[in-house]
Amino acid sequence: AQKVTQAQTEISVVEKEDVTLDCVYETRDTTYYLFWYKQPPSGELVFLIRRNSFDEQNEISGRYSWNFQKSTSSFNFTITASQVVDSAVYFCALSEAGDDKIIFGKGTRLHILP
Amino acid sequence: NAGVTQTPKFRILKIGQSMTLQCAQDMNHNYMYWYRQDPGMGLKLIYYSVGAGITDKGEVPNGYNVSRSTTEDFPLRLELAAPSQTSVYFCASSPSGRAGEQFFGPGTRLTVL
Repeated sequence: AQKVTQAQTEISVVEKEDVTLDCVYETRDTTYYLFWYKQPPSGELVFLIRRNSFDEQNEISGRYSWNFQKSTSSFNFTITASQVVDSAVYFCALSEAGDDKIIFGKGTRLHILP
Repeated sequence: NAGVTQTPKFRILKIGQSMTLQCAQDMNHNYMYWYRQDPGMGLKLIYYSVGAGITDKGEVPNGYNVSRSTTEDFPLRLELAAPSQTSVYFCASSPSGRAGEQFFGPGTRLTVL
């Protein structure tokens, strides 16, 4: 069965610090997809990135970067030079090729302190 | 495009009452989903649909029903509201199901007293 674990419930860092959000997943499929979503205080959920299981290249988008490692079943998310606007709950999610469901982790609440 | 819309935004129900949460999307997406978000518990899938006329259960379907008569609409029905159904409900749609990003509505905050 698929499972997503975000062990960090809550993290606080001072603005401009770098921060990494951890995501560990479990799946029996060889083909699967991993996602990160952001939920700011306003409540809506915003898609950040998708990665398929055959693409282990790390990705960078501005201050955001993602590290996908199949060997450790992890898909970690790093924010460089954090800003107050990065304060939000971040969700990691997993879907398997043979299933239309997407399973979300419990989320990590990130506080960026000015 | 309005994207994914949900009504109402807030609702208070008494135990045993029924209601329908409305969800509509104007992006012609085949895939639609209903989630509930309890504090500190992430998102749990209630029901989903891969196209008009097709629905399937998610992780927590008990106490809910859905229908999908059109591509655009995916209403969620609560028949006999219970306090355990107090939650924030999100509807989402996707153009490509498991492989694609989901577009979320703004949510409905439901309280059952």
